[in-house]
Amino acid sequence: DTGVSQDPRHKITKRGQNVTFRCDPISEHNRLYWYRQTLGQGPEFLTYFQNEAQLEKSRLLSDRFSAERPKGSFSTLEIQRTEQGDSAMYLCASSTTGQGHEAFFGQGTRLTVV
Amino acid sequence: GDSVTQMEGPVTLSEEAFLTINCTYTATGYPSLFWYVQYPGEGLQLLLKATKADDKGSNKGFEATYRKETTSFHLEKGSVQVSDSAVYFCALSSNAGGTSYGKLTFGQGTILTVHP
Repeated sequence: DTGVSQDPRHKITKRGQNVTFRCDPISEHNRLYWYRQTLGQGPEFLTYFQNEAQLEKSRLLSDRFSAERPKGSFSTLEIQRTEQGDSAMYLCASSTTGQGHEAFFGQGTRLTVV
Repeated sequence: GDSVTQMEGPVTLSEEAFLTINCTYTATGYPSLFWYVQYPGEGLQLLLKATKADDKGSNKGFEATYRKETTSFHLEKGSVQVSDSAVYFCALSSNAGGTSYGKLTFGQGTILTVHP
């Protein structure tokens, strides 16, 4: 198992364009999380899936953001009509169920909106 | 809501010095507590965890004790090495049940630089 992988690692886009990121979790993990991290800050929760069901979304996740996890495997995070304020590192994590279980993080996708 | 507060950084130490990074939290119920580390150019990795009061998490010479009475989870290491230079994040996971289960709330991170 190669851990959580994210693609692409870096994305530069023009303001107003749509972007999509992919996350492949560890195969036996049924929980998948998306976080956003800006410079000098800790990661902030965006959304959470258990299998294919999206069970929680943060207020940070505006209508321009949508996430899917078809068939409970990989997940995609799409940002429509990107804004400069969307520039950040987008992190994906996965875990098994249960209290205190470790979340394994991918290396993230760094988005720059110009 | 849940929150985590870490000591202001960055922290600069000489090799073999003693390290403390303070972390306090606010949460409903009895959360699980974590320290994650981010080495330069790498993703977040779990360093240690504690799931109930008075538990001590330890790994790679680092320790932290879950103190419910002071709502703290301070990270300590007796003798730091240059290879410990990284960003350290304190985090909690609420165990109040329901859909928030497993979601992590992070502190802002503390940059540690260790000089030879």
